[in-house]
Amino acid sequence: DADVTQTPRNRITKTGKRIMLECSQTKGHDRMYWYRQDPGLGLRLIYYSFDVKDINKGEISDGYSVSRQAQAKFSLSLESAIPNQTALYFCATSNAGTGDSQYFGPGTRLLVL
Amino acid sequence: GENVEQHPSTLSVQEGDSAVIKCTYSDSASNYFPWYKQELGKRPQLIIDIRSNVGEKKDQRIAVTLNKTAKHFSLHITETQPEDSAVYFCAASKGNQKVTFGTGTKLQVIP
Repeated sequence: DADVTQTPRNRITKTGKRIMLECSQTKGHDRMYWYRQDPGLGLRLIYYSFDVKDINKGEISDGYSVSRQAQAKFSLSLESAIPNQTALYFCATSNAGTGDSQYFGPGTRLLVL
Repeated sequence: GENVEQHPSTLSVQEGDSAVIKCTYSDSASNYFPWYKQELGKRPQLIIDIRSNVGEKKDQRIAVTLNKTAKHFSLHITETQPEDSAVYFCAASKGNQKVTFGTGTKLQVIP
């Protein structure tokens, strides 16, 4: 779905480095989410935001921070990357007015060495 | 908070057979139940959803049923095809609360 984009699509970094993953959407949705998916596992919620001034922790927020710069932009930062943060990261959007069906970005594959 | 359990974790069926995936939820106030399909290496995509005021919804070969009393909902895929092979996630949500996903079911359709 080209309406939700993530950059970069792939990233290799070293332990201790700070990195930022970015998500942009043109769907006009008010809600945005960051999920992590490990191989063979499900989706785990890192952070979510229901509007620009609203930020909420998910189930695995430790080691991560987020910024909702605008309704259309939601960034995820790893302040000091560690190898067990190697995973596939998905951004998603939804609109409370239409039942909260989630639209996912293409994902960012992150490898922390 | 909401808790969603999904079973089975893996499912293998012969092409042409039916597949059923079941989910239970804990919060009786949940009112929206979507299902997502994730093909290998791709993003999850919504395939069907149901709201709490409806007991069943069908879209071609897929259908979802909801039993509010028992707090469970199921995905039914009939006449399975190899392209149905994927991981399927159920989810539940209500109003101003975040969506809670199940743990996923890996469906393999054997030609």
